[in-house]
Amino acid sequence: AQSVTQLDSQVPVFEEAPVELRCNYSSSVSVYLFWYVQYPNQGLQLLLKYLSGSTLVESINGFEAEFNKSQTSFHLRKPSVHISDTAEYFCAVIKQDRDDKIIFGKGTRLHILP
Amino acid sequence: DAGVTQSPTHLIKTRGQQVTLRCSPKSGHDTVSWYQQALGQGPQFIFQYYEEEERQRGNFPDRFSGHQFPNYSSELNVNALLLGDSALYLCASSSDGGTEQFFGPGTRLTVL
Repeated sequence: AQSVTQLDSQVPVFEEAPVELRCNYSSSVSVYLFWYVQYPNQGLQLLLKYLSGSTLVESINGFEAEFNKSQTSFHLRKPSVHISDTAEYFCAVIKQDRDDKIIFGKGTRLHILP
Repeated sequence: DAGVTQSPTHLIKTRGQQVTLRCSPKSGHDTVSWYQQALGQGPQFIFQYYEEEERQRGNFPDRFSGHQFPNYSSELNVNALLLGDSALYLCASSSDGGTEQFFGPGTRLTVL
């Protein structure tokens, strides 16, 4: 079975400061990795995904995540956060063998301080 | 493209009642998955429908059932509601074999 651990339930950070949201996963088979973002009172939006190839993936709004197979991690980073980044961030995995069940972590609430 | 749509947006029921939630997938998608997101938790997989059949199911009791129609839209039914069923119910659509699921805005169910 797969599992996802997000090590921080909340992360407060000052505006324009860098941030890292940590994610570790466990799986006996190969997986695809995702970060989803949930803005207040909204559904989930895909932020970025790792399927194969380069281990560093980027989103259009400045976030990036690096897949580290040896450490089974997929941490999310942004060099400078904005107030609009206030949201809940979910790390997720899905098995590569056509198992369409997404396994989510419990989420990390990013709180931007002015 | 309207994306994934869900109705209603909010719903209040009492214990023991039954509820039906609806989902229309993104254009071109034929697979619908349902997730339950309790307050402060990540979404948990309920089940997935493809070709009008339940293809995969998570650890939810039989009180949770679903249906997929020929136009790929889907319903989630919950019988004998419990207080613990209060949650945001998310629908996601994808194309068969696709790696990405697109989520709707959710239906927030409150059971009193």
